[in-house]
Amino acid sequence: AQSVAQPEDQVNVAEGNPLTVKCTYSVSGNPYLFWYVQYPNRGLQFLLKYITGDNLVKGSYGFEAEFNKSQTSFHLKKPSALVSDSALYFCAVRDNTGSARQLTFGSGTQLTVLP
Amino acid sequence: DAGVIQSPRHEVTEMGQEVTLRCKPISGHNSLFWYRQTMMRGLELLIYFNNNVPIDDSGMPEDRFSAKMPNASFSTLKIQPSEPRDSAVYFCASLVRGSYNEQFFGPGTRLTVL
Repeated sequence: AQSVAQPEDQVNVAEGNPLTVKCTYSVSGNPYLFWYVQYPNRGLQFLLKYITGDNLVKGSYGFEAEFNKSQTSFHLKKPSALVSDSALYFCAVRDNTGSARQLTFGSGTQLTVLP
Repeated sequence: DAGVIQSPRHEVTEMGQEVTLRCKPISGHNSLFWYRQTMMRGLELLIYFNNNVPIDDSGMPEDRFSAKMPNASFSTLKIQPSEPRDSAVYFCASLVRGSYNEQFFGPGTRLTVL
């Protein structure tokens, strides 16, 4: 079984400050990890993914995430937050074994960037 | 590319009525997923298809829910009869060929059952 935990329901950060949205996962094999963002009344948009290789993954809108196998974490980061980054962020995982393609999503973290 | 298309975008119906939600995946994608999002339960996978065949429907809440994918370009999620607790946003997503590619989500259908 695979699972994802986003321990923070809400993260507030001042504009211009660095932001971190936390994610930990559990899978039986090696993980494929994803971050999605959801703006109000919209569908989820893909931000970035880790499949293999470099542990630091860069994605859209200046976001990046660091894969840490020993801590089973995949935290989302951005060096300087913008008010427009305010949205709901989802971490997701799938196991790379077998043919199953479904993702397991975390509960989401509401990011608010304060001007 | 128009992306994943869902219709209707909003649906308001009365308890007991049949509701049909529609999804057109991105052309060339061979996997399709239906999700439900609520404040209480977050994002839940209901069912997914590979090459038009249902693979895992363990997330379908009960027999009132059914999903079909008659061809590669169309899928439906039907609720019959609908109940107020079915009120949620329903998302469809599709996956491009390849074992580790990301899912692309549609804009969702906001369903309200009165």
